[in-house]
Amino acid sequence: QVQLVESGGDVVQPGMSLRLSCAASGFTFNSYGMHWVRQAPGKGLEWVVVISYDGSNKYYADSVKGRFTISRDTSKNTLYLQMNSLRVEDTAVYYCAKDEWELSHWGQGTLVSVSS
Amino acid sequence: QTVVTQEPSLTVSPGGTVTLTCASSTGAVTGDYYPNWFQQKPGQAPRALIYSTSNKHSWTPARFSGSLLGGKAALTLSGVQPEDEAEYYCLLYYGGAQPWVFGGGTKLTVL
Repeated sequence: QVQLVESGGDVVQPGMSLRLSCAASGFTFNSYGMHWVRQAPGKGLEWVVVISYDGSNKYYADSVKGRFTISRDTSKNTLYLQMNSLRVEDTAVYYCAKDEWELSHWGQGTLVSVSS
Repeated sequence: QTVVTQEPSLTVSPGGTVTLTCASSTGAVTGDYYPNWFQQKPGQAPRALIYSTSNKHSWTPARFSGSLLGGKAALTLSGVQPEDEAEYYCLLYYGGAQPWVFGGGTKLTVL
């Protein structure tokens, strides 16, 4: 069965960096595009970034462009989100989701808290 | 700045039918927007229900259906169950540099 497990969330100060991971299993990882979606406390879902199945195309929300970088490691079946210059408003649960068009499966999320 | 609008809240009686809609600030929603619908219950991750307007996942209950209605994407629940009480989100595809946008969500109360 498809399984997505996020990790790497932490409490950090503004301006710091963090790298999130999403370990994938139960499907052919290099055949699917992947998304990161976040949800601030008590708020709705916000789309963050998508990467194509082969990593050749990446698209970012304006709110994170230039600060966040998505990548994938096929040998490890893992998706990453490098988050630099973190802001208080980046505080959220970050989810990874499988399939560029269907977002069919989601992980349980990892909490990033940015606070001074 | 593209905005996707959903009803903030709706209430339905058990066994009833309710339609949630998803509108785009750019105009009528068509199949080219690949409307997706997700259900989220408190403390849980979102769960995919509908993709590409009306396609169900293997786990999507038959009482959920997706369509286009009056220039909007729509999610209809027929024969609502108490366990359908949740937040529902739509997601639309716009292409370009920032291709995906979520709606603000609809809180569905079953009462």
